[in-house]
Amino acid sequence: NAGVTQTPKFQVLKTGQSMTLQCAQDMNHEYMSWYRQDPGMGLRLIHYSVGAGITDQGEVPNGYNVSRSTTEDFPLRLLSAAPSQTSVYFCASSYGTGQTEAFFGQGTRLTVV
Amino acid sequence: DQQVKQNSPSLSVQEGRISILNCDYTNSMFDYFLWYKKYPAEGPTFLISISSIKDKNEDGRFTVFLNKSAKHLSLHIVPSQPGDSAVYFCAAKVYNTDKLIFGTGTRLQVFP
Repeated sequence: NAGVTQTPKFQVLKTGQSMTLQCAQDMNHEYMSWYRQDPGMGLRLIHYSVGAGITDQGEVPNGYNVSRSTTEDFPLRLLSAAPSQTSVYFCASSYGTGQTEAFFGQGTRLTVV
Repeated sequence: DQQVKQNSPSLSVQEGRISILNCDYTNSMFDYFLWYKKYPAEGPTFLISISSIKDKNEDGRFTVFLNKSAKHLSLHIVPSQPGDSAVYFCAAKVYNTDKLIFGTGTRLQVFP
């Protein structure tokens, strides 16, 4: 049972480069979300999705795009990386019923130089 | 504005004693409150939750208390063990959604 799988685990980008952080879950969860964790800031919600084809912005969406073409996958795209996007990124999923906890992936540590 | 606050960035407790982690919130539109535990280089893992209509929930060594009038919740760990050393995040779930708002975390260190 893989749960929530994030790839890659580590990435270094140059300013201006683009990349996609992958997230996949095998629990048939409807709700998926992306967070970033920064020192002293906790986990901040970037984007979330309540089901395939439906996405919405969280607290800190600027500089990031998402799409949800399948229930299983929820990729996060950085269109033009900036040093301020250096962070640890976590993907999470849950059933979407409002009554269960979220499961998190192991994270992607991104450094933008 | 931070809707969920953990004002203590760190806490150090002796093994066998009680650990009390605190969390405050400012919004009443939350129906569940959750605690997550995070080890270095791992994702957060769910620990315990409480419904906004309850004032206490217990699971083994972990108990969460909710004081709605004060908009305050706390996590008690008794007895504390060295394996409990981790960062603990308080989270509030927005009513009737799966959207979670997290606090900034408290680093707990349990020493022998």
